Amino acid sequence: AQKITQTQPGMFVQEKEAVTLDCTYDTSDQSYGLFWYKQPSSGEMIFLIYQGSYDEQNATEGRYSLNFQKARKSANLVISASQLGDSAMYFCAMRGLYNQGGKLIFGQGTELSVKP
Amino acid sequence: KAGVTQTPRYLIKTRGQQVTLSCSPISGHRSVSWYQQTPGQGLQFLFEYFSETQRNKGNFPGRFSGRQFSNSRSEMNVSTLELGDSALYLCASSLAVGQGAETQYFGPGTRLLVL
Repeated sequence: AQKITQTQPGMFVQEKEAVTLDCTYDTSDQSYGLFWYKQPSSGEMIFLIYQGSYDEQNATEGRYSLNFQKARKSANLVISASQLGDSAMYFCAMRGLYNQGGKLIFGQGTELSVKP
Repeated sequence: KAGVTQTPRYLIKTRGQQVTLSCSPISGHRSVSWYQQTPGQGLQFLFEYFSETQRNKGNFPGRFSGRQFSNSRSEMNVSTLELGDSALYLCASSLAVGQGAETQYFGPGTRLLVL
């Protein structure tokens, strides 16, 4: 079975500072993908970044980077230069790449608040 | 390119009624997945459709059903509504079904309140 754990229910960060959101996972799959989504109060889930278990380099997308440590089964999201618009819920998710279809398993989320 | 659209955005029903939610995927996307989001259970996978066929199903009772049309649009139906069905229902589309790093793009969701 697959499981995602996000241990930080809520976090605060000062505008323009960097912040790390934690995500650990458990899976028996050899190949899997890890995703981060942002959910503003409007409800829509916005895709941020993807990391494949076979990728040797950490993924980056603009101000978002993923600190992938396979041996520790962690996939932390780093947001650099936080902006007020980054205030939202953030979800870590995973999927086995070959036998899970499109089914994503989500963590409980971390609510990020950016202070001016 | 337009994103995933869901209708209606908000819905209020009473116990025992049934409801149908609609999802239009991103143009060219053929896979549609549905998720239920509640404060207590978080985000849970309902089902996935590809080429009008259900390819994957989550652990939900038979009151929850869905279908996909030839234009990839999808509907989900919940019959005999219960108070616990109050949730945000999210639809996500992707180009294909679970192909490697295939990313799912979500719609704005339908907020269902059951009274």
